[in-house]
Amino acid sequence: DAGVIQSPRHEVTEMGQEVTLRCKPISGHDYLFWYRQTMMRGLELLIYFNNNVPIDDSGMPEDRFSAKMPNASFSTLKIQPSEPRDSAVYFCASSFGLAGTDTQYFGPGTRLTVL
Amino acid sequence: TQLLEQSPQFLSIQEGENLTVYCNSSSVFSSLQWYRQEPGEGPVLLVTVVTGGEVKKLKRLTFQFGDARKDSSLHITAAQPGDTGLYLCAGADYKLSFGAGTTVTVRA
Repeated sequence: DAGVIQSPRHEVTEMGQEVTLRCKPISGHDYLFWYRQTMMRGLELLIYFNNNVPIDDSGMPEDRFSAKMPNASFSTLKIQPSEPRDSAVYFCASSFGLAGTDTQYFGPGTRLTVL
Repeated sequence: TQLLEQSPQFLSIQEGENLTVYCNSSSVFSSLQWYRQEPGEGPVLLVTVVTGGEVKKLKRLTFQFGDARKDSSLHITAAQPGDTGLYLCAGADYKLSFGAGTTVTVRA
């Protein structure tokens, strides 16, 4: 299996622009997670899906962030408009079950820089 | 405020030395996990501990879970440069809550 695939690997944009991050989970996994990692806040969960349905979005920082999962093999995280404080590495992860019961497999991440 | 506190924040040792990383939680989770993350990659799960007092070994890595299930440690024996990375502990309760991590550097 190719593992979790994320694109792009690096994104540099200007403040106010729309940014879309993409994720392809491991085939057969029912859960998909979006995380953000920064030096100040560490690795934090933004949102997770079960069978393409958003279950917990309490970690989404504000309305500028939105996530969708139109089918079992694709998810997007969108930031509109982007701000410099959104600069971080964004990870997508997938698993068969919930945390602690099954292994979460992380993608390589997208490094976002907002100027 | 993070639920899980890791110490030390940074650790630099010579190849062949031993090291210990600590993780302390203000809450009791269903289980606790340890991950290693290398530059430019996502975290990779090393181990899951569930039972208080549990000890798990993975080659040169030894993981302990405190009796009260609120603290854990990771001990590496005879560290090698390949052990270099960011070590993260995470509490699992249907979702993961991560500590800030310990950056370990093993010098050849």
